[in-house]
Amino acid sequence: DGGITQSPKYLFRKEGQNVTLSCEQNLNHDAMYWYRQDPGQGLRLIYYSQIVNDFQKGDIAEGYSVSREKKESFPLTVTSAQKNPTAFYLCASNGRTGITDTQYFGPGTRLTVL
Amino acid sequence: AQSVTQPDIHITVSEGASLELRCNYSYGATPYLFWYVQSPGQGLQLLLKYFSGDTLVQGIKGFEAEFKRSQSSFNLRKPSVHWSDAAEYFCAVGPMEYGNKLVFGAGTILRVKS
Repeated sequence: DGGITQSPKYLFRKEGQNVTLSCEQNLNHDAMYWYRQDPGQGLRLIYYSQIVNDFQKGDIAEGYSVSREKKESFPLTVTSAQKNPTAFYLCASNGRTGITDTQYFGPGTRLTVL
Repeated sequence: AQSVTQPDIHITVSEGASLELRCNYSYGATPYLFWYVQSPGQGLQLLLKYFSGDTLVQGIKGFEAEFKRSQSSFNLRKPSVHWSDAAEYFCAVGPMEYGNKLVFGAGTILRVKS
């Protein structure tokens, strides 16, 4: 099956700890994205990568870091510098169908800071 | 700056009734426009998209949307709502280039009453 997988589905973190969220895709997409979702605020872009070994900050990158060493993988680290990390995190990748682009989403990871 | 406004936070409709979810955008050029649906605790699923051509776009699950450039709107419609349509709906806008960053609206929660 082709698609985007995120793990774990639920993640609990103590304050002061870094945690890494996994995102893997087997769709052969070049571009990948991380969004944060909070109730009533829609999706906000954290980081995105248009190609391997390159990534850019989105609108709310502070307290987060990413890497893009492989085309299939785009892990997100939530660092202790992120003041309010409890949220639902969504990974997406961008595929081209004909001349149009479409972002496809993974199932999400819910992070809770204890 | 790019922005998307979904004026209705919640909408309740009766099963079998028609539905219209509103989306207004602010964008400097001709945009890509998308509607996604999200069930609780899940990722986003693409319903439909517009990039050019016919301004009435057909999507999955019986949904359609109409692009009105003069009103900067991209409203989502369904002639007869089913209980399984209860979910949160997001409108998004992005540029016509690969690896686009999307800007999302805050979402509209649809409740269906029997």
